[in-house]
Amino acid sequence: EVQLVESGGGSVQPGGSLRLSCAASGLTFSSSWMHWVRQAPGEGLVWVSRISSDGSSTTYADSVKGRFTISRDNAKNTLYLQMNSLRVEDTAVYYCARDGSGSSSNWFDPWGQGTLVTVSS
Amino acid sequence: QSALTQPASVSGSPGQSITISCTGTRSDVGTYNIVSWYQQHPGKAPKLIIYEVTKRPSGVSNRFSGSRSGNTASLTISGLRTDDEADYFCCSYAGSSAVVFGGGTKLTVL
Repeated sequence: EVQLVESGGGSVQPGGSLRLSCAASGLTFSSSWMHWVRQAPGEGLVWVSRISSDGSSTTYADSVKGRFTISRDNAKNTLYLQMNSLRVEDTAVYYCARDGSGSSSNWFDPWGQGTLVTVSS
Repeated sequence: QSALTQPASVSGSPGQSITISCTGTRSDVGTYNIVSWYQQHPGKAPKLIIYEVTKRPSGVSNRFSGSRSGNTASLTISGLRTDDEADYFCCSYAGSSAVVFGGGTKLTVL
C-alpha cells in the first residue's frame, strides 16, 4: 500500500521558517515526481510546488517563489518543503502528493494526510 | 493563472444524478487533456476520482464520470449515495508548469 506521511507542521510567527517532511512507503519513490499542495482553513486547494524524480527540476507557484524550496532525499524516501519568510497567508494544511503517472502528469495520487502550518503573531 | 470556476454547492437525492461544472479558459481546461477531479470528505485528504478528463482510477466507482466541452469540464455522479456527500475539486494543467484548482463544490445528498 502506498503511504505518504507528512510532518513538521506547527505554529510560527510571521517571518519565521519551517521545514516540512513527507515520508513515502510502498512506492518506488526515486522514480516518482512529487508535489506539495496546500489548503487554507475552509478554502480550496492550491498547488505549491513540484520536483522531478531525481531532484534536478523544481517549479513553484508564484505565491511562494523565492521563499519556499522543495527538495528530496531518495535514499531516505523523503520529500521536503523548506518554508522561509512565512506570511499569515501561508497558513494552511500542506499535503504531499505523488504525481499520478509518476512523471509530470500534473494530477495527484495518492495524497498524504496533511500537516497544519499556522503563521500568526 | 486564475482559479477554475465551480458552483459553491449542489444537491441531490439518493439515486439521482448530479453534474458539477468546472469552467476555465483556453489556457487551461480548453487546451490540455490534464483535467482531474478530487473528492474530499471533511477532515480527510483529497482522493483522485477522475484524471485526464475522463479516466477513472482503479477502485473508483463507475458512478463517477468526467467530460469536457470547450473550456468547461464536468463531473457527473450517478446513483447518488449518502457517502458521496463531500467537497469536490477540479484541477487543470495551465501551461508553463502551472497547475490550477477550482474553488470546490460542496455536494449535499438530501
